[in-house]
Amino acid sequence: GESVGLHLPTLSVQEGDNSIINCAYSNSASDYFIWYKQESGKGPQFIIDIRSNMDKRQGQRVTVLLNKTVKHLSLQIAATQPGDSAVYFCAENIESNFGNEKLTFGTGTRLTIIP
Amino acid sequence: NAGVTQTPKFQVLKTGQSMTLQCAQDMNHEYMSWYRQDPGMGLRLIHYSVGAGITDQGEVPNGYNVSRSTTEDFPLRLLSAAPSQTSVYFCASSATSGNTGELFFGEGSRLTVL
Repeated sequence: GESVGLHLPTLSVQEGDNSIINCAYSNSASDYFIWYKQESGKGPQFIIDIRSNMDKRQGQRVTVLLNKTVKHLSLQIAATQPGDSAVYFCAENIESNFGNEKLTFGTGTRLTIIP
Repeated sequence: NAGVTQTPKFQVLKTGQSMTLQCAQDMNHEYMSWYRQDPGMGLRLIHYSVGAGITDQGEVPNGYNVSRSTTEDFPLRLLSAAPSQTSVYFCASSATSGNTGELFFGEGSRLTVL
């Protein structure tokens, strides 16, 4: 089946700088996308989501950009802090499905913040 | 508010043994699911449930059974453990209204099958 992939498995960023984590998806029917953060030894935590009728969505220090033309998703984290060090997963879903049973996760990008 | 609670956190089994991973949530969520996480493969859906008495298979259901007799609990059973089932298992829940992708995950259960 189709899967979600990431461009880079690891990313190191200086504290205070902005970081961008990228994600490519291949299922053209996917219309709902989510970013999760997973800290070491913990379960994933929801960060932000975006639906396909939007190109951009902002949260606190985070922005998700969606480019449906090239099937690309990115997560921007502004003014990175040591607590941002984690593995970040993108996930996709088909909104017509009920609930979250068809959520497909990518393989993850490890973000390391350098003090 | 405990959220999603998984037990045990760690377990070592021998090939062929059976066990149950427990999952409980106190948020009155209709949807619950089990994922396994292996290095370099992200999270893969094993089984899920959209309400008490309803279960369905995910991407990798073979070797696992589930049941959902109450809204709160969603145990995952390994009937005859195999080394290929060595993994970290995550239980997750969410409300089904609003079609949000916000799954609430437990802390994980690390299983090693020898």
